[in-house]
Formats: sequence, structure tokens, C-alpha cells
Amino acid sequence: AQSVTQLDSHVSVSEGTPVLLRCNYSSSYSPSLFWYVQHPNKGLQLLLKYTSAATLVKGINGFEAEFKKSETSFHLTKPSAHMSDAAEYFCVVGNNFNKFYFGSGTKLNVKP
Amino acid sequence: EPEVTQTPSHQVTQMGQEVILRCVPISNHLYFYWYRQILGQKVEFLVSFYNNEISEKSEIFDDQFSVERPDGSNFTLKIRSTKLEDSAMYFCASEGTGPNTEAFFGQGTRLTVV
Repeated sequence: AQSVTQLDSHVSVSEGTPVLLRCNYSSSYSPSLFWYVQHPNKGLQLLLKYTSAATLVKGINGFEAEFKKSETSFHLTKPSAHMSDAAEYFCVVGNNFNKFYFGSGTKLNVKP
Repeated sequence: EPEVTQTPSHQVTQMGQEVILRCVPISNHLYFYWYRQILGQKVEFLVSFYNNEISEKSEIFDDQFSVERPDGSNFTLKIRSTKLEDSAMYFCASEGTGPNTEAFFGQGTRLTVV
């Protein structure tokens, strides 16, 4: 069975400060992990994905995530938040061509 | 940038009515999906579709739901007799083949059943 837990429903940071969005997963086999972002009235956009290659994954817009098997975590980070990063972020576990399991989402607020 | 488009963006329907949600996947993709998100809840898998047939469906996807690829470009989700609890955002996604493929999601259709 597979599942995802996003530990924070809301995160608020100031512009220019680091972002940390936490995700823990559960999977009975080696998972693929994804982070998607959803801006208001937009579709879900892939930020990055982990598919058993490098454990540190770099994505778009300066985001990256580190796969830590021992901690079953896949936290999303960015060194310096920008106002345009305000959105909802979803951690997802699954495999290509099969169903995805979504976390409950984390709303990121960026204060000027 | 290729994109998945969904229409309409918002649909209001009366309980018991049939609705069809439409999706235009990316043209060379072969795998198609529907997901839904009830307000305040997680995004949930409904169904996956490949080679003109359902490859997997969730327990949510009961007999009132059906999917179709009527003309080789559109991918539709039909809800035969809508219930209040069908109110949700419905997302379509499509995926190509190959090791570096990714699923592209549409912007969603917000269905409101009154």
C-alpha cells in the first residue's frame, strides 16, 4: 500500500527566506515521488520527481527535494522564497502509468 | 509547452442530472486519468485508461461513472445521475510513454451539484 502525509497544511514565510515543505511517504516497494504545485485557477504542475536515481532532485523555479529512505521523507525546499511561489503544493507517491496517491496539500503563503 | 485542457471550467447541475466533463489530452499521450478533489479533502484517483479501455479504477468509480475516448482526441468523464456528494474539482491527466515521461494535469473542472 502507498500513502503520503504532508505534515503542514499551511506554511507562511517571508520573501527571501528559506522554504521547507514536509512530506513523509509509505510504500511497500521502491516508490516514485513527485511534488506538484497548483496556483489559483490553474492545473497541477510538476515541480520535480524522484525515480530511484539521485537522491537529491532539482526541480523548476529553484526547488529541490531530497529522498531519505531511512526517514521515509521527501521534503521540498527552496533557499529563498519569492512572492510568485505562493500556491498549494502536493506531495505525491506512485509509479508511472499507475495511479498516484496525493498528500492533503500544503498552502504556502509568502509575505512581503 | 504542451498542456491538457478541460472544459468547462465550472459546471453547475441539478441532482439527478447527467454531466459530461471533457478533456483534451496531449496529442501523443497514451495514458489518461481522472482524479477528483472534494473541497477540503485529498486529490483522489478515479480511473486510468489505456488502449481504449479502463486499466484501473477506484472504489469511487462505481456504475454511475463512465469514461470514453469518443473521437481519438477527447477523453470524457460521464456521471450518469449526479448526487450532491459528487460536487468536487475533477482533474484530467495524460501521460506519454518512455522512461522520462510525466503526467500532465489539466486545470480542472469544478462541478457543483445543487
